Amino acid sequence: AQSVAQPEDQVNVAEGNPLTVKCTYSVSGNPYLFWYVQYPNRGLQFLLKYITGDNLVKGSYGFEAEFNKSQTSFHLKKPSALVSDSALYFCAVRDSGNTDKLIFGTGTRLQVFP
Amino acid sequence: GAVVSQHPSWVICKSGTSVKIECRSLDFQATTMFWYRQFPKQSLMLMATSNEGSKATYEQGVEKDKFLINHASLTLSTLTVTSAHPEDSSFYICSALGLAGSTDTQYFGPGTRLTVL
Repeated sequence: AQSVAQPEDQVNVAEGNPLTVKCTYSVSGNPYLFWYVQYPNRGLQFLLKYITGDNLVKGSYGFEAEFNKSQTSFHLKKPSALVSDSALYFCAVRDSGNTDKLIFGTGTRLQVFP
Repeated sequence: GAVVSQHPSWVICKSGTSVKIECRSLDFQATTMFWYRQFPKQSLMLMATSNEGSKATYEQGVEKDKFLINHASLTLSTLTVTSAHPEDSSFYICSALGLAGSTDTQYFGPGTRLTVL
């Protein structure tokens, strides 16, 4: 069965420090991987995706993610965190069946302290 | 680009009434739209997938007679919660897949907070 795991419920980081939000996946076939961010009482905003090509994917707001096939991971990173990055982050993988559905992780709350 | 809107952003209704939520893709045509439900501090739960001009496909456990979905055009899908009850109170979010360009990315609306009294 396909799944996405976000092992950390919350990540705390000081402003200016690098941040990592972890995601691992389990799919059959080649994965289509996504990161979304959700601010309070808002929908999800698309950050970045990996479909094929370079393992390091750059996205919005200075975020990037590294696809690691051997470790089945797709961790989200940012070199220098901002207080405004504090939000809920979701990793997702597209269902490898012909449905276009997304399978979401449980979310990780990022808290950046000034 | 790839903007999705939802209306209303919040609604309060009495138990037993029906509520309609609209989801529109503003600057692209969406072949497929999705409806999700999100409980506090939880992930998104897919309710159904709607394709323009055809019946929606509901996820297991979602009552299709209670959550009516219509995808009348390539830019509009509606979710009607019929005979709403307090347990239907939730945050409902739609997303859309584009017809051209990035057809592999779902773009999400801002969500609708439904409170049933």
